[in-house]
Amino acid sequence: QKEVEQDPGPLSVPEGAIVSLNCTYSNSAFQYFMWYRQYSRKGPELLMYTYSSGNKEDGRFTAQVDKSSKYISLFIRDSQPSDSATYLCAMSLFDNNNDMRFGAGTRLTVKP
Amino acid sequence: SAVISQKPSRDICQRGTSLTIQCQVDSQVTMMFWYRQQPGQSLTLIATANQGSEATYESGFVIDKFPISRPNLTFSTLTVSNMSPEDSSIYLCSVEDRGRATEAFFGQGTRLTVV
Repeated sequence: QKEVEQDPGPLSVPEGAIVSLNCTYSNSAFQYFMWYRQYSRKGPELLMYTYSSGNKEDGRFTAQVDKSSKYISLFIRDSQPSDSATYLCAMSLFDNNNDMRFGAGTRLTVKP
Repeated sequence: SAVISQKPSRDICQRGTSLTIQCQVDSQVTMMFWYRQQPGQSLTLIATANQGSEATYESGFVIDKFPISRPNLTFSTLTVSNMSPEDSSIYLCSVEDRGRATEAFFGQGTRLTVV
């Protein structure tokens, strides 16, 4: 079993839709949860991070962590064609790169 | 935020040859990281490079195959040695801003194809 599971998609939605992206994980010790966005032929860029459980909102993006279910989500409201990218979840025990584990990424296309 | 320049952006190489990838950061950083991103698979950490010390390699990666240099606080190289088609992948360098993974930045990646 992989430490982090993420449905690779692809996911295609119409503009304005609410998008839900999810990851599950096996290591209950993970404390830091991150979402990256990666445009084609670009490196990942950090969108949001959450420490421990709870929700975090930033504009149209909301990150949720449910540690009891080992499940994290990223919601995108009023999705735009510019949101078309691959979204990677990542998590770590500590706030450092050495033990960060990534999901395989979900490819999202938002159609005008 | 750190700006990372990675070269080359892509290359097609013959098997058995080596390729050196360069990563330049616009500010001094203590730790630099090299990742591999294979199609449909997770980003996988290859090694951590600290200035002035040997790189620390993750399980499954060895120095003979992926030698790393870190001559100063703004630059690092990763060499993919004696390449085979299985090495075809995207290679990314990353830095932690202020030593925190939650403030990590990535280069644009090097897309390597081995034929």
